[in-house]
Amino acid sequence: DTGVSQNPRHKITKRGQNVTFRCDPISEHNRLYWYRQTLGQGPEFLTYFQNEAQLEKSRLLSDRFSAERPKGSFSTLEIQRTEQGDSAMYLCASSLWQGGETQYFGPGTRLLVL
Amino acid sequence: AQSVSQHNHHVILSEAASLELGCNYSYGGTVNLFWYVQYPGQHLQLLLKYFSGDPLVKGIKGFEAEFIKSKFSFNLRKPSVQWSDTAEYFCAVNRGSQGNLIFGKGTKLSVKP
Repeated sequence: DTGVSQNPRHKITKRGQNVTFRCDPISEHNRLYWYRQTLGQGPEFLTYFQNEAQLEKSRLLSDRFSAERPKGSFSTLEIQRTEQGDSAMYLCASSLWQGGETQYFGPGTRLLVL
Repeated sequence: AQSVSQHNHHVILSEAASLELGCNYSYGGTVNLFWYVQYPGQHLQLLLKYFSGDPLVKGIKGFEAEFIKSKFSFNLRKPSVQWSDTAEYFCAVNRGSQGNLIFGKGTKLSVKP
């Protein structure tokens, strides 16, 4: 399967702990997106990269959140000092930007903060 | 701010019934429009998309959608649903070079066999 992969698929942590998620995009895709989805809502944009440059961050992305895409390939999303309100599904998507794009989504990482 | 509205939260149909799911967006400029589907236990998959050209677009599994610019709408249709269409459907929009998608809240479709 050459789709978008995300690890781990599930994460349970205690409030105050740090967590890190990884996303491996479809190879040759130059854009990588992070979204968050809570129950009963559609995905909400967090941030995105074009190659290794982080081009946009949502106001949802507080200073406890940081994302990297160091070599323009995989990306990590870290949440520091987790809060119960961070419990959600974290989705990654990738695309090949050529003046237009279609985003392909991974299976997500479900985070539960106790 | 841009927003996407999906009018129906949960739709229940019998097999062979026709489907129409509403989607309206708030942005007045050039937009790209998408419908994604999430089958139970699976990840989001692209159903169809509109960038430009013919406002009636056809997607996978017999789905189609019509872009009506004057109504800011992109409704999803299928003439005859199957039990396997049971899923959650999300409408999404982005604009120009801004890639981030804005999603509606989703419509859950349940098809009774």
